[in-house]
Amino acid sequence: DTAVSQTPKYLVTQMGNDKSIKCEQNLGHDTMYWYKQDSKKFLKIMFSYNNKELIINETVPNRFSPKSPDKAHLNLHINSLELGDSAVYFCASSWDTNQPQHFGDGTRLSIL
Amino acid sequence: QKEVEQDPGPLSVPEGAIVSLNCTYSNSAFQYFMWYRQYSRKGPELLMYTYSSGNKEDGRFTAQVDKSSKYISLFIRDSQPSDSATYLCAMSYAGGTSYGKLTFGQGTILTVHP
Repeated sequence: DTAVSQTPKYLVTQMGNDKSIKCEQNLGHDTMYWYKQDSKKFLKIMFSYNNKELIINETVPNRFSPKSPDKAHLNLHINSLELGDSAVYFCASSWDTNQPQHFGDGTRLSIL
Repeated sequence: QKEVEQDPGPLSVPEGAIVSLNCTYSNSAFQYFMWYRQYSRKGPELLMYTYSSGNKEDGRFTAQVDKSSKYISLFIRDSQPSDSATYLCAMSYAGGTSYGKLTFGQGTILTVHP
């Protein structure tokens, strides 16, 4: 039974489109995160929610908008996709901040 | 200069070897230190989690933290081909507006050949 699951696993789309990525965790965690992993495998935090409240918002273009409908879900909507958005996006969750984070298997986004 | 530096390798060792992976960091506020393993096309998997300085052992894995030198290590004993993966160090600190934000190293690609 997958602990942190993301959909879709692969997303291929054209520049200028709007797309969403969904994340669900069944671990009962209170905190969820979005990370971006670039082509050099460097992982960087984008957003974090704790009990549905946004607590981390790194310097990310406002084309990226996270939404947490409840503690078990964290979605990421991206408007007007650009070539530079091509990356792997990982969702993670933890009991609380500074607790070990558990990652999903990523969504591979390719912009044509 | 990046906050966390990690040699990307690649590192290739024979089966059974002891592997040493290292990270250095510049932010003395870091208190929580983690090692993740990432297989190709998978998400990072937590291997070790330590708080402050000291050693922690779990099976074939030993994590060491030296806060005075701002240096952390992961040792893998009796390495196996199944250990072939990218190893990522990560760290965070409490307080302020950090909220547990993880700062990752670039990752070291490890290959263990039979």
